[in-house]
Amino acid sequence: QSALTQPASVSGSPGQSITISCTGTSSDVGGYNYVSWFQQHPGKAPKLMIYEVTNRPSGVSNRFSGSKSGDTASLTISGLQAEDEADYYCSSYTSTSTLVFGGGTKLTVL
Amino acid sequence: QVQLQESGPGLVKPSETLSLTCTVSGASMSSYYWNWIRQPAGKGLEWIGRIYASGSTNYNPSLKSRVTMSVDTSKNQFSLKLSSVTAADTAVYYCATAPHGSGYGMDVWGQGTTVTVSS
Repeated sequence: QSALTQPASVSGSPGQSITISCTGTSSDVGGYNYVSWFQQHPGKAPKLMIYEVTNRPSGVSNRFSGSKSGDTASLTISGLQAEDEADYYCSSYTSTSTLVFGGGTKLTVL
Repeated sequence: QVQLQESGPGLVKPSETLSLTCTVSGASMSSYYWNWIRQPAGKGLEWIGRIYASGSTNYNPSLKSRVTMSVDTSKNQFSLKLSSVTAADTAVYYCATAPHGSGYGMDVWGQGTTVTVSS
């Protein structure tokens, strides 16, 4: 299975909105509503931010939202804050009952 | 609340078998599925596989020939064995699960354990 495709980096200023894309195929992202997004700060374990494309776990800010169109899922962070600076990974369930991650996107808050 | 803790040797010799255990607290192992994920230094996350309490497994195809997962519900533990390791298997290894209804999005992770493959 091939890793999902994410941009290597994105950046934005405090208060702005940014969107991170995650492109797969009809066998993963496009075929199932099981896309998740994780935030990872240096030296820490990943934290689930979005599951099943659009759902936020309890405790996650509503500044984080997810969507999907065809084979591409997106994570949008609105009202950027300094603490949002981190690496972000998408993942998707696949047609072979496995899980595949994206390569990760480094978010820089300018 | 559900907590996970990885344990195992931090150093493994090339060609040998890496063995890790994840101890579960605060949850019944029979209710969920249990994952292993790894991350080489400075690189992205790689899903290794998952195991259900029944013992049913799903593995990453790229690792399938070398991976074995098992579960011991009496000890509240699940384990990972990765055979014939090379330097490319050096990584932080995480165990993770989704006990709060988040589907295939794991919302509980261990702190991770670093495994180095070197002679």
